[in-house]
Amino acid sequence: EVKLVESGGDLVQPGGSLRLSCAASGFTFSSYWMYWVRQAPGKGLVWVSRVNSDGSFTSYADSVRGRFTISRDNAKNMLYLQMNSLRAEDTAVYYCVRGVTMATITPFYHWGQGSLVTVSS
Amino acid sequence: EIVLTQSPGTLSLSPGERATLSCRASQSVGSNYLAWYQQKPGQAPRLLIYGASSRATDIPDRFSGSGSGTDFTLTISRLEPEDFAVYYCQQYGSSPWTFGQGTKVEIK
Repeated sequence: EVKLVESGGDLVQPGGSLRLSCAASGFTFSSYWMYWVRQAPGKGLVWVSRVNSDGSFTSYADSVRGRFTISRDNAKNMLYLQMNSLRAEDTAVYYCVRGVTMATITPFYHWGQGSLVTVSS
Repeated sequence: EIVLTQSPGTLSLSPGERATLSCRASQSVGSNYLAWYQQKPGQAPRLLIYGASSRATDIPDRFSGSGSGTDFTLTISRLEPEDFAVYYCQQYGSSPWTFGQGTKVEIK
C-alpha cells in the first residue's frame, strides 16, 4: 500500500522558514517524480513544485520560485520542501503527491493527509 | 499558463439526479491531459478521471469524463449520497500544472 505522510507544518512568523517532510512507503520511491500541492483555507488546489526521480531536476510555481526548495533523499524515501521568506499568502495545507505512473506527464494519484503551515505574527 | 475555468460554481441537486460539470481551458490542453478530482471536507483529493475520459482505479462507472481541446465535462449519471463534494479539473500536460477553482455539488 502506498503511503505518504507529511510532517513539519507549524505556525511561523512572516519572513520565517520551515521545512516540510514527506515519508514515502509502499512503492519504489526512487523511480517516481514527486510533487507538492497546496490548498489555502477554503480555497482551491495549487501546484507548488516537482522533482524528478533522482533529484536532478526541479521546477516551481512562480509564486514560490526563489523562496522554496524541493529535494529528496532516495536512500531514506523522503521528500522535502524547504520554505524560506514565508508570507501570509503561503498559509495552506501542503500535500505530498505521487503520480499514477513514473512518467513525467501523469495525473496526481496518491496524496498524503496534508501538513498545515500557518504564517502569521 | 493554462487557466481552467469551472462552471457552475455550485450545483444543487438531489440524490439520483444527473450532474454535469464543465471545465474550460484558456488554450488547448495537449493530448487531453485533463484530470478530475473529488474532494470531501478534511480529506485529500481523489483522482476520478484522467486523460479526459479514463476512469481511475476503483472509480464507479457512474462517473464519466468527456471533451477535448478546451472544453471538458465530468458527468455523474446518478448522484449517490457520497458524491456530494467539491470537484476540481486539472491539466497536467503543460507546466505549470493548473487546477480549476472547483465546483461544489451540494444536496438540494
